[in-house]
Amino acid sequence: DTEVTQTPKHLVMGMTNKKSLKCEQHMGHRAMYWYKQKAKKPPELMFVYSYEKLSINESVPSRFSPECPNSSLLNLHLHALQPEDSALYLCASSQEVGQGKYNEQFFGPGTRLTVL
Amino acid sequence: AQKITQTQPGMFVQEKEAVTLDCTYDTSDPSYGLFWYKQPSSGEMIFLIYQGSYDQQNATEGRYSLNFQKARKSANLVISASQLGDSAMYFCAMGRNTGFQKLVFGTGTRLLVSP
Repeated sequence: DTEVTQTPKHLVMGMTNKKSLKCEQHMGHRAMYWYKQKAKKPPELMFVYSYEKLSINESVPSRFSPECPNSSLLNLHLHALQPEDSALYLCASSQEVGQGKYNEQFFGPGTRLTVL
Repeated sequence: AQKITQTQPGMFVQEKEAVTLDCTYDTSDPSYGLFWYKQPSSGEMIFLIYQGSYDQQNATEGRYSLNFQKARKSANLVISASQLGDSAMYFCAMGRNTGFQKLVFGTGTRLLVSP
């Protein structure tokens, strides 16, 4: 199984809502990532989890709260978002100890988030 | 700091022809990896090919090859025998050679393959 799944595919939320994005992989990868991608822009790294511990937080506002309940799951909790947070949110995973091309990140299809 | 530059916002190619997508990079790290990803309109990022900074030979994966010129700090993607399904956004990215990745992406090149 070389697939990263993300739910939901689309999400529309108001600025006062609380919602969560979910990401799952069963490739045994121990590194998992959240990216934000605005239209016509490259993905921007938000968070990296390595062995279920937060390793990188790219100065993301606290209204985004990541969680890694186990080695297969990654959540992104959303609260009090702004319209400018509307974007495609991509999850990815990779081997933690891989080398070379085996460091490739496998991406999920993303969640298209619209904040009203 | 690492930086990736893709100077071609858009490229056009006819089916069955070859096309080269440009990528230049800048880093002070002696050890790094270069990745190319394809992003169709559906949104998913698809890994295409990888080149390590210490690799002596250019990477190849099927119809994809990477023209790696270390002295020029360039890592151009060559797609041979273009297909209609190759129409997509292509991103060049840089990361480490080992362990988890903090990828830095270029701005991307949109490729359109015409019949």
